[in-house]
Amino acid sequence: GAVVSQHPSWVICKSGTSVKIECRSLDFQATTMFWYRQFPKQSLMLMATSNEGSKATYEQGVEKDKFLINHASLTLSTLTVTSAHPEDSSFYICSASSPVSGRDYEQYFGPGTRLTVT
Amino acid sequence: LAKTTQPISMDSYEGQEVNITCSHNNIATNDYITWYQQFPSQGPRFIIQGYKTKVTNEVASLFIPADRKSSTLSLPRVSLSDTAVYYCLVGDPAGNMLTFGGGTRLMVKP
Repeated sequence: GAVVSQHPSWVICKSGTSVKIECRSLDFQATTMFWYRQFPKQSLMLMATSNEGSKATYEQGVEKDKFLINHASLTLSTLTVTSAHPEDSSFYICSASSPVSGRDYEQYFGPGTRLTVT
Repeated sequence: LAKTTQPISMDSYEGQEVNITCSHNNIATNDYITWYQQFPSQGPRFIIQGYKTKVTNEVASLFIPADRKSSTLSLPRVSLSDTAVYYCLVGDPAGNMLTFGGGTRLMVKP
């Protein structure tokens, strides 16, 4: 099946710094990519949806100036957490969507990135 | 977006069949039902997807009644490695938006 990778798999940063997380679709072109955030013992929460070449659509309550999303190509989307604070510590997961024969669309999830802000 | 309701947790034993039911009363005509499995500190993994009736693959079966207001994921003969959180999602695949509910935490015991 299709593979989505994320880099880094984990990162520790100091409060006030910015962190960039990459999401790549390795063997298919993703028309749409999604970014989720997951706190311990909780479900995934959709943060934003991005389409290649256009501005991301953010969910209500997600600060677009803090979580910068760039979808520069059909295989790469990046999430930059700007001026990170300890409350931004979380597990960030991306997914990529692609048409699948016989099943319309399927979302492929990346392995996640664990962000810890100290 | 259709909201889903699942049991918070379930316990089972190795070798048993596990059925997890999900309610989605306001499912729309274009919505598909998709189940994902998630292990700690990993991204969700696709299990099965269906629109109506029954779908079966190499790891699970999905039963969807005629009114489509619920669905049941069936895992035959579970093993310890099936201990995970299982999410039922309802959405229009063409719309590409999936909203995760609370999920069901399955614990398989020896």
